Amino acid sequence: ELKVEQNPLFLSMQEGKNYTIYCNYSTTSDRLYWYRQDPGKSLESLFVLLSNGAVKQEGRLMASLDTKARLSTLHITAAVHDLSATYFCAVDINSGAGSYQLTFGKGTKLSVIP
Amino acid sequence: DTAVSQTPKYLVTQMGNDKSIKCEQNLGHDTMYWYKQDSKKFLKIMFSYNNKELIINETVPNRFSPKSPDKAHLNLHINSLELGDSAVYFCASSQPGRRVDFFGQGTRLTVV
Repeated sequence: ELKVEQNPLFLSMQEGKNYTIYCNYSTTSDRLYWYRQDPGKSLESLFVLLSNGAVKQEGRLMASLDTKARLSTLHITAAVHDLSATYFCAVDINSGAGSYQLTFGKGTKLSVIP
Repeated sequence: DTAVSQTPKYLVTQMGNDKSIKCEQNLGHDTMYWYKQDSKKFLKIMFSYNNKELIINETVPNRFSPKSPDKAHLNLHINSLELGDSAVYFCASSQPGRRVDFFGQGTRLTVV
């Protein structure tokens, strides 16, 4: 069974600081996703990482993937309050017939304090 | 236009009732999914379905059944609701072999 572990689960940080969220997964997968969820809202796709060494950046967020280590990181640079949300990583597995099922980590609840 | 839409957004019902949640996507995708998010915000796949095959997560009770009247719709029917069914249910869709990144807004189900 595929397991996806995120840490930390809770993160409180001051504006302007940098921090990294880690996502480990247990079996081989070619695709890793990062999502953002605001309270009471749906999931917003942030990044899809498709290959070893992939790095993607959007604003103050940068995601990377090491498939050999089965590790992805989400780095936050100079955090601002608007980044406060819950961030999920997810790994997909081929469940057959062209369907890919996502297995999610437990999420990291990020609170950026002014 | 909303890509993946669910109705209702909120659903409060008594134990033992039967209820349905509807999901529609206008993206032309072949595959649709149902995910459950529990009170601890943990997300877990329930079903994936395309016009060929239904893949069921074996941990899902058989009180839950997806019903697809056509390619654009995947409804979730729940029989004999239990307190533990209270959660937020998300519908999603994708093309075969492509990433899953289109989620509905969620349906918050509360069983009392």
